Amino acid sequence: KAGVTQTPRYLIKTRGQQVTLSCSPISGHRSVSWYQQTPGQGLQFLFEYFSETQRNKGNFPGRFSGRQFSNSRSEMNVSTLELGDSALYLCASSLLPGLSNTEAFFGQGTRLTVV
Amino acid sequence: TQLLEQSPQFLSIQEGENLTVYCNSSSVFSSLQWYRQEPGEGPVLLVTVVTGGEVKKLKRLTFQFGDARKDSSLHITAAQPGDTGLYLCAGATGNQFYFGTGTSLTVIP
Repeated sequence: KAGVTQTPRYLIKTRGQQVTLSCSPISGHRSVSWYQQTPGQGLQFLFEYFSETQRNKGNFPGRFSGRQFSNSRSEMNVSTLELGDSALYLCASSLLPGLSNTEAFFGQGTRLTVV
Repeated sequence: TQLLEQSPQFLSIQEGENLTVYCNSSSVFSSLQWYRQEPGEGPVLLVTVVTGGEVKKLKRLTFQFGDARKDSSLHITAAQPGDTGLYLCAGATGNQFYFGTGTSLTVIP
């Protein structure tokens, strides 16, 4: 079956712009979580959605937001982009919510560069 | 300060050697997971350890969860070039999910 699909794979934006990233989970998976990966901070948890509801949120400013649709696809939005937002954004899907008690499958990520 | 500290940060070894990667925290975790990430890809789950003191083996990889559930180790026997990658531990405490700082392993043929 198809894996987790993230689009676009690469994106270049200018400071101050906003960006929307998309994640299509594995068919049947209702939980989607988002992560930011940078060389300096490593992998950091952004938020988790299950059945269209945000269950958990990491320690990121309000410029980072997300949502999940009824078909489980998820989007994350970053407004007023800063240079420090340049990162690989990863999405993971799983059957169940609760990030430590279920197997999560990651997409290949979206590489965002802010110039 | 990272909640999950891994050591070493970088490791370069010859094929056939053994190695151990450590994941340490001052916090207690209900479970810890280990992932491997290859360049251009997302992390792939290797194992989940749940019980303090638990040891799990996956072919040449041995994972151990500390008795106090604050630390874990990954031991690779007879490393192969295919083991090259970024190894990450991860776990949830409270409502937050944390990844470790990562260990970048290179196995030289």
